[in-house]
Amino acid sequence: RKEVEQDPGPFNVPEGATVAFNCTYSNSASQSFFWYRQDCRKEPKLLMSVYSSGNEDGRFTAQLNRASQYISLLIRDSKLSDSATYLCVVNINQAGTALIFGKGTTLSVSS
Amino acid sequence: DTGVSQDPRHKITKRGQNVTFRCDPISEHNRLYWYRQTLGQGPEFLTYFQNEAQLEKSRLLSDRFSAERPKGSFSTLEIQRTEQGDSAMYLCASSPRTDRVFSYEQYFGPGTRLTVT
Repeated sequence: RKEVEQDPGPFNVPEGATVAFNCTYSNSASQSFFWYRQDCRKEPKLLMSVYSSGNEDGRFTAQLNRASQYISLLIRDSKLSDSATYLCVVNINQAGTALIFGKGTTLSVSS
Repeated sequence: DTGVSQDPRHKITKRGQNVTFRCDPISEHNRLYWYRQTLGQGPEFLTYFQNEAQLEKSRLLSDRFSAERPKGSFSTLEIQRTEQGDSAMYLCASSPRTDRVFSYEQYFGPGTRLTVT
């Protein structure tokens, strides 16, 4: 079993749609959780950290369920500029070292 | 630009040659990481420095790979006797020193794309 698994993509949605990405992780000792966004042939950019209580940043909402080892990202009112690959990321070592990335889910928003 | 910088951005080399990449982290970030990313995959961890000390290395980091961060600032990643399987994007990231768990956010540079022919 892979350490971080994400929904297979691609997701093709119209502008204004709401889209949800899911992610599971295998190591129950995982300490911190993130969503990164990666545009084609660019570096990953931090989208948001994921807090245990869930957190929201504008149109983006992240949820964490430690019991189920499950992370989600909800994007409301999708924009063309949201088209990218979304990477689910966990950190296992309490000292905060290596990030473990999922393969990513590709989102394409069309007009 | 105060972000992570990497040099060169692209490198084409012939199999068997040595290559060296440089990373300059965000100023005052004491943690520096190297990752490798191939097409269709997420980045994979290679190694990690806290200041000048190399504290962790992945199994992916074979004997042909070596990384240094001699003064705790910039870092270099060298690949000796390159192989075609080394073709990938090599990403550097840095994070600040703090005790809060969410300080373990890592900020990535633009990467060095290596092509081994």
